Amino acid sequence: DGGITQSPKYLFRKEGQNVTLSCEQNLNHDAMYWYRQDPGQGLRLIYYSQIVNDFQKGDIAEGYSVSREKKESFPLTVTSAQKNPTAFYLCASRATAGNTIYFGEGSWLTVV
Amino acid sequence: GQQLNQSPQSMFIQEGEDVSMNCTSSSIFNTWLWYKQDPGEGPVLLIALYKAGELTSNGRLTAQFGITRKDSFLNISASIPSDVGIYFCAGQLKETSGSRLTFGEGTQLTVNP
Repeated sequence: DGGITQSPKYLFRKEGQNVTLSCEQNLNHDAMYWYRQDPGQGLRLIYYSQIVNDFQKGDIAEGYSVSREKKESFPLTVTSAQKNPTAFYLCASRATAGNTIYFGEGSWLTVV
Repeated sequence: GQQLNQSPQSMFIQEGEDVSMNCTSSSIFNTWLWYKQDPGEGPVLLIALYKAGELTSNGRLTAQFGITRKDSFLNISASIPSDVGIYFCAGQLKETSGSRLTFGEGTQLTVNP
């Protein structure tokens, strides 16, 4: 099936550890995004990439890092520098034509 | 930061009632999108609008791109329990470079059977 796959769905991290969230899409979309969602709140953009080997910071990039080595993959690393990482993380992608963004099913990250 | 004002923040309605929510901005948008998010899931696209004045339906849902290009509304007719969730508007600002979207804060809809 075509779509956006995020893994893992649930992840627990100890303080001081880095963790990486995976996002893979087989839609042949050029642009990919990472959003953070806190309970009862909207979506905030962390990073986005419009093309392979290029990415830009969003509104809340501090404490996060990304890479875009392949068109279909856009992993997000939550580093120990992110002071409040517990949240729901959403990956999304968009085709070159059109402004419609499609989302994955999300990953829950909890710091323990 | 957010440049969209979405209202209402929450709604509690009875099954069968119609629902209306809207988003407004002080800036001009090229695109308006409406998403629904179920708990613990990613948002799902409901309706996409690309032209000022455009009125589009998807089943019991109807959305319009305001003629000023600064607002959009979503109507749900004859609500049912599975309409429960958070509804988000999103848009692309005319002056925004690249492919960033701006999201509203969401409308939490509760439908009582």
